[in-house]
Amino acid sequence: DVKVTQSSRYLVKRTGEKVFLECVQDMDHENMFWYRQDPGLGLRLIYFSYDVKMKEKGDIPEGYSVSREKKERFSLILESASTNQTSMYLCASSLRQDPYEQYFGPGTRLTVT
Amino acid sequence: GQNIDQPTEMTATEGAIVQINCTYQTSGFNGLFWYQQHAGEAPTFLSYNVLDGLEEKGRFSSFLSRSKGYSYLLLKELQMKDSASYLCAVRAAGNNRKLIWGLGTSLAVNP
Repeated sequence: DVKVTQSSRYLVKRTGEKVFLECVQDMDHENMFWYRQDPGLGLRLIYFSYDVKMKEKGDIPEGYSVSREKKERFSLILESASTNQTSMYLCASSLRQDPYEQYFGPGTRLTVT
Repeated sequence: GQNIDQPTEMTATEGAIVQINCTYQTSGFNGLFWYQQHAGEAPTFLSYNVLDGLEEKGRFSSFLSRSKGYSYLLLKELQMKDSASYLCAVRAAGNNRKLIWGLGTSLAVNP
């Protein structure tokens, strides 16, 4: 079974703090993704990575950065957390071949106060 | 632009059949996915269609018509545990790594 794990289920941070969200997958998947999910807005792609040290911006990259130093690990960084970054953050991974089915981690519910 | 439309909410009765529709307008097409997401949990993969027709998997079936930009997810013999959000996602042409996501259909199954 594919397993995608995220470092925290719930996280509370203060405005201006630097926040690190970690994601690890154990199936040797090339592609990894970070989404946020908000009511009424659905899943929105923040960043994705198709190889170690490679990254591409998604639809809403502003205020975020990512790091992929190892194939199994993909980190999302909020450089200076703001209240509008309060959200559910979901990590996913997929193979680099058809059908590119994405497997999701359990999610991190981040609250910025 | 790229767009996926699904009904926002649906209700159905335990034991019945429900059909959840998805229409899409994308720059090319390389496959359509259905995911199930229970409240507070991550999405889980249900089905994948890349050719026209019906794919059956137990109580769940998914249909695709590429010429109409249309898909549906059919759930038979509904159970209470099927109460969840159902997400339609399309892999468009060009960047095969990304999916374009619909907002999801929240299904409530009543006894």
